[in-house]
Amino acid sequence: DQQVKQNSPSLSVQEGRISILNCDYTNSMFDYFLWYKKYPAEGPTFLISISSIKDKNEDGRFTVFLNKSAKHLSLHIVPSQPGDSAVYFCAASARTGANNLFFGTGTRLTVIP
Amino acid sequence: KAGVTQTPRYLIKTRGQQVTLSCSPISGHRSVSWYQQTPGQGLQFLFEYFSETQRNKGNFPGRFSGRQFSNSRSEMNVSTLELGDSALYLCASSSGGRGDEQYFGPGTRLTVT
Repeated sequence: DQQVKQNSPSLSVQEGRISILNCDYTNSMFDYFLWYKKYPAEGPTFLISISSIKDKNEDGRFTVFLNKSAKHLSLHIVPSQPGDSAVYFCAASARTGANNLFFGTGTRLTVIP
Repeated sequence: KAGVTQTPRYLIKTRGQQVTLSCSPISGHRSVSWYQQTPGQGLQFLFEYFSETQRNKGNFPGRFSGRQFSNSRSEMNVSTLELGDSALYLCASSSGGRGDEQYFGPGTRLTVT
């Protein structure tokens, strides 16, 4: 049972435009959300996170939005750059105290120069 | 600071065999988590070790086991390999507190024939 879902396996965006990656979750116990970026042959690298007490967190070109009532979060990348081309994973953590992350299946972003 | 290292990077095994994968966390990190990545399922949590004790476990059969040594290095063992165990196995280290950023290694690509 996939508790974190990324329904778009791929996304193509022109350089300089906005990339919007979406993520949905089903477990209401999740209270901490993260985005990871993964290049081929490398492990995922942390990008940005958001706690459930916030609805927005911004870090440079990256902004994560959280809509708790819809159990939905999104990652906005503005402006998109070719180096952003990678697989993006959404992850969530539950407030049970455990340290494990629940990941989505990933969205492959391609930024076209 | 050196990153998370995993050995070996690639491995080919036959059905029925067993395999041991190794992970060396970032110096000072006491938590090591293991994840399995497959194309259809994304990253799925296997287990987490903290200070040589298994602190958390995912929904994997008992064929998957692990341990952690006093220097925080961790090993993961899979016995009686099945074709479906072919995957990228990733380990992540962190300080161990909930919400602490997890740093991933490059992974071990296991192929079972």
